[in-house]
Amino acid sequence: DSGVTQTPKHLITATGQRVTLRCSPRSGDLSVYWYQQSLDQGLQFLIQYYNGEERAKGNILERFSAQQFPDLHSELNLSSLELGDSALYFCASSVGQGSYYNEQFFGPGTRLTVL
Amino acid sequence: GNSVTQMEGPVTLSEEAFLTINCTYTATGYPSLFWYVQYPGEGLQLLLKATKADDKGSNKGFEATYRKETTSFHLEKGSVQVSDSAVYFCAQGSSNTGKLIFGQGTTLQVKP
Repeated sequence: DSGVTQTPKHLITATGQRVTLRCSPRSGDLSVYWYQQSLDQGLQFLIQYYNGEERAKGNILERFSAQQFPDLHSELNLSSLELGDSALYFCASSVGQGSYYNEQFFGPGTRLTVL
Repeated sequence: GNSVTQMEGPVTLSEEAFLTINCTYTATGYPSLFWYVQYPGEGLQLLLKATKADDKGSNKGFEATYRKETTSFHLEKGSVQVSDSAVYFCAQGSSNTGKLIFGQGTTLQVKP
């Protein structure tokens, strides 16, 4: 158990819908990261927040947005869903901002299926 | 742009065999390098890391050396066990953000 929790574990929805994925980081961690894992794209970095502020952005679609709240939990919002958005979405957390000395701890993921 | 390339899988080995999973990277500057492991139905776990050239990361019998001259970070283990069956990801990271760039992953299956 990494200490990172994600809800829900599974999500099945229809095209055009909007969903919210939730992540609670490990106690004391200030950074939260979102990754998307799909068969065709592999594991892709989406976005990083550090202490409530956006810190780095990857290949995140405009239909997707995220935020980190004052209690440090984070939500990833996916809207106008398409079949291709079906994937495993991971949240990770770390104490600091950079990758060199800050191990990222991954949650178990949310599996999103868009029908 | 920066990228990570891993050898194609799946890799199937017998127990106690020697393991090598190749990983090469392209980057501007000198990234930190990581190996993560993903067991079935779980999230990724950090296996080992190296932050500068010639550093050797090691953990649980796995080793990888940061080779700047060949831009490589190959994963090795002298004697694999059935419990090592998993997907292994090579990744690079930057110092100022936590963004990790992952390779495509290599599935390892170890048979008794």
